[in-house]
Amino acid sequence: EPEVTQTPSHQVTQMGQEVILRCVPISNHLYFYWYRQILGQKVEFLVSFYNNEISEKSEIFDDQFSVERPDGSNFTLKIRSTKLEDSAMYFCASKEGINEKLFFGSGTQLSVL
Amino acid sequence: DQQVKQNSPSLSVQEGRISILNCDYTNSMFDYFLWYKKYPAEGPTFLISISSIKDKNEDGRFTVFLNKSAKHLSLHIVPSQPGDSAVYFCAATLQTGANNLFFGTGTRLTIIP
Repeated sequence: EPEVTQTPSHQVTQMGQEVILRCVPISNHLYFYWYRQILGQKVEFLVSFYNNEISEKSEIFDDQFSVERPDGSNFTLKIRSTKLEDSAMYFCASKEGINEKLFFGSGTQLSVL
Repeated sequence: DQQVKQNSPSLSVQEGRISILNCDYTNSMFDYFLWYKKYPAEGPTFLISISSIKDKNEDGRFTVFLNKSAKHLSLHIVPSQPGDSAVYFCAATLQTGANNLFFGTGTRLTIIP
């Protein structure tokens, strides 16, 4: 079965540094998402992306966050200046159509020191 | 903001018996409900869903029940198998195909052989 691929699986960074989390959604999918899960807490929506623009974002997704689809296959999440509270598992997800099921990647564990 | 709640962090069930996972929600505007399953080091995987116009949806060993008046849904797994051991997340959305899934905190199900 096709899958959403995320790299790296683990990322350690210093507070204040920029990080880019990378995702390769399933090739024929049109809707792209980032979610995150802080340890012990629920999975939370960050942002959705469709037709080369953000379609919806949560309160978490402030000016420090940005997303990009630089080419036809990659979908990235950038955190400009990381904070300790950004430490979490970040999940990329994609789906083929608006009413189709969502496929998640295996996540990138971000640790901000 | 706990719009979707899973009050049991863990559940152990004997192999072959029924597993019942529960979920409550507070937002009466939720229109579509989903269950996801998550193994360690993997992303959530879609399991089964139900629209608010239904009270039951069945797919093989998995059945989801929705009680709108009680704002409660449950996932039944019959019979339970060792491979069902995972964390199960309940999720809800304001409409089918909406971008933002609201997740519960998950229930860790352990099937005892």
